[in-house]
Amino acid sequence: EIVMTQSPATLSVSPGERATLSCRASQSVSNNFAWYQQRPGQAPRLLIYAASTRATGIPARFSGSGSGTEFTLTISSLQSEDFAIYYCQQYNNWPRTFGRGTKVEIK
Amino acid sequence: EVQVVESGGGLVQPGGSLRLSCAASGFTFSNYGMNWARQAPGKGLEWISHITSSSDTIYYADSVKGRFTISRDNAKNSLILQMNGLSAEDTAVYYCVTPLIGTTTYWGQGTLVTVSS
Repeated sequence: EIVMTQSPATLSVSPGERATLSCRASQSVSNNFAWYQQRPGQAPRLLIYAASTRATGIPARFSGSGSGTEFTLTISSLQSEDFAIYYCQQYNNWPRTFGRGTKVEIK
Repeated sequence: EVQVVESGGGLVQPGGSLRLSCAASGFTFSNYGMNWARQAPGKGLEWISHITSSSDTIYYADSVKGRFTISRDNAKNSLILQMNGLSAEDTAVYYCVTPLIGTTTYWGQGTLVTVSS
């Protein structure tokens, strides 16, 4: 099984600042890679698929990059609604696997 | 509008069984593979099963293999998860999840399964 390792576990950021989240796959997943956002009490929401394509309705301040084993999610200017937990997922191999999440909290 | 709505969760004793359902609407259900995922309280996300559109191929996470069975009824736009041999480690919110439809995936609000005596 492909192990997805996210860093950091927690990221403290002030509103308006830039946030950079990382995810590493234990083997190449090509660009079959997604980022999800989960707010408290809500279902996850797809932000990015195919490593760098924004999903429906996702603001341009969210961007994804990377391929193979190293991936990055950048939030260019954090808004209040962006404080949440972010998960990465590979969908190149079965079983599909998620990272353990990065919590973005208010500094 | 695409919607997936889970039902069937509840409290069950260790070793017991439960059957979850997912009602899908707003898309051509029979054209898409479907998934179940879960999230234990305060924990991360775990994908647990996938079934192809025609039910010819099925995948399970090792954590549920041999105990859980995924199935679907394309005539009723319904996805099923039969869960047997439940343990405390199966306590979680269970989500029905579509693959990419257009440019997003769709998750239900989840149904809570609690395994406790």
